[in-house]
Amino acid sequence: SQQGEEDPQALSIQEGENATMNCSYKTSINNLQWYRQNSGRGLVHLILIRSNEREKHSGRLRVTLDTSKKSSSLLITASRAADTASYFCATDHQAGTALIFGKGTTLSVSS
Amino acid sequence: DTAVSQTPKYLVTQMGNDKSIKCEQNLGHDTMYWYKQDSKKFLKIMFSYNNKELIINETVPNRFSPKSPDKAHLNLHINSLELGDSAVYFCASSQSGGRASYNEQFFGPGTRLTVL
Repeated sequence: SQQGEEDPQALSIQEGENATMNCSYKTSINNLQWYRQNSGRGLVHLILIRSNEREKHSGRLRVTLDTSKKSSSLLITASRAADTASYFCATDHQAGTALIFGKGTTLSVSS
Repeated sequence: DTAVSQTPKYLVTQMGNDKSIKCEQNLGHDTMYWYKQDSKKFLKIMFSYNNKELIINETVPNRFSPKSPDKAHLNLHINSLELGDSAVYFCASSQSGGRASYNEQFFGPGTRLTVL
C-alpha cells in the first residue's frame, strides 16, 4: 500500500528561489529517503534521514523529519534549472522491508 | 561504468506475448529489486531478492516471474502480456546488512514496456 504522499504535486519556481516539498506517511518508519527522477531516467538517491534524526544537510539540500507528525520536508536552496525533476520520498517502516514510495512532486525551475 | 543496467530500454509487444527484461548490477550489492512505475509516476515494489532468494513478493500476478541466476542479475519474465502491464519497469540494487534496513537504492534507467 502507498505510504508517502508528497505535497505539492507540482511546483514551478524561478532560478535562485528555494523549493520546499513535503512528504507525509502513515505508519512508523525506520528511514526516510528522498530521490530525484529526471524525465525518462531512473531514480537517483539524494539523502537519507533516520527516524531518530530531525534534520540533515547535503549541499543545497536540507531535509527535516517530524516523526510525531509523520512528515518530512525537502528544501532545495538557490534552485537551478538542472533541479527540474520529480522528487519522491520513500520510507521503510521496519528493518528488512522494502521502500515504499510516494507519488512525487514535479519541480520546474525556469531561468 | 553503468552501475545498474537494464535491457531493453524500450519494449513494444502485442498482448498475449511473453517477454523478458534483464538487469545487471556491478556494485557488489546483495539485494536487487523490481519496481513498476505507472503512467501517473507511482512507483511500486514488485519483487526483492537477497542473495538470489526471493524475500518480497508483493501482490503481483503470477504471470510475472523474477529469476536471479546470481546475485548480480535479476531478470523479469512476463507471460501472457496484458494492456495493463504497460508501464516503466525499474531494477534497483542495494547493500543490506543482515536484518538492518535497506540502505540507499541504486536504480537502473528503466524499461518502458508498451503492450498493444
